[in-house]
Amino acid sequence: QKEVEQNSGPLSVPEGAIASLNCTYSDRGSQSFFWYRQYSGKSPELIMSIYSNGDKEDGRFTAQLNKASQYVSLLIRDSQPSDSATYLCAVNPGYSTLTFGKGTMLLVSP
Amino acid sequence: GAVVSQHPSRVICKSGTSVKIECRSLDFQATTMFWYRQFPKQSLMLMATSNEGSKATYEQGVEKDKFLINHASLTLSTLTVTSAHPEDSSFYICSARDRRGGSTDTQYFGPGTRLTVL
Repeated sequence: QKEVEQNSGPLSVPEGAIASLNCTYSDRGSQSFFWYRQYSGKSPELIMSIYSNGDKEDGRFTAQLNKASQYVSLLIRDSQPSDSATYLCAVNPGYSTLTFGKGTMLLVSP
Repeated sequence: GAVVSQHPSRVICKSGTSVKIECRSLDFQATTMFWYRQFPKQSLMLMATSNEGSKATYEQGVEKDKFLINHASLTLSTLTVTSAHPEDSSFYICSARDRRGGSTDTQYFGPGTRLTVL
């Protein structure tokens, strides 16, 4: 069974700090990786996608992918209280569907 | 770009009635759409994959006769919950896959439909 693992949290960081969210996956053949943000009661919103090993930066967000170690991470710099949400890691194991982790809750305190 | 809408956003119905939820891709064509269900404080659960012009593919444990999916056009998929019961109360979310710009499988989510069955 293809699995995507995330620490459920909550991960608590003070405002202005760097939040580091991690995700591991089981299928070595996975090619596409995504981070979604989900506020309570809302649907997921795409934050980042990454396909190659290394780092990908978009504003305050940096996605990191290491296929050899089968992990993908999301760094949020200068965290803001509005970043408080559940972050979902999603992996495409080669099929048309995505496999989602259960999400990590992030709490950014003022 | 890549906007997905859902209608209605919220519905309350009596037990035994049927409810139809629409999912539309507004600025792109989506040959594949996905239907998810999410119970409070739980993760997304994929219910089915909807392909334009063909039958939907249901995940194990999802009753295809209860959750009817129609993907009649490249921008519209519908989910009908037939003979709804209180245990069907949940947050139903669709997503559509956008393959423009060379992306292989990026999914964009609609805002969701909160169904409450009394």
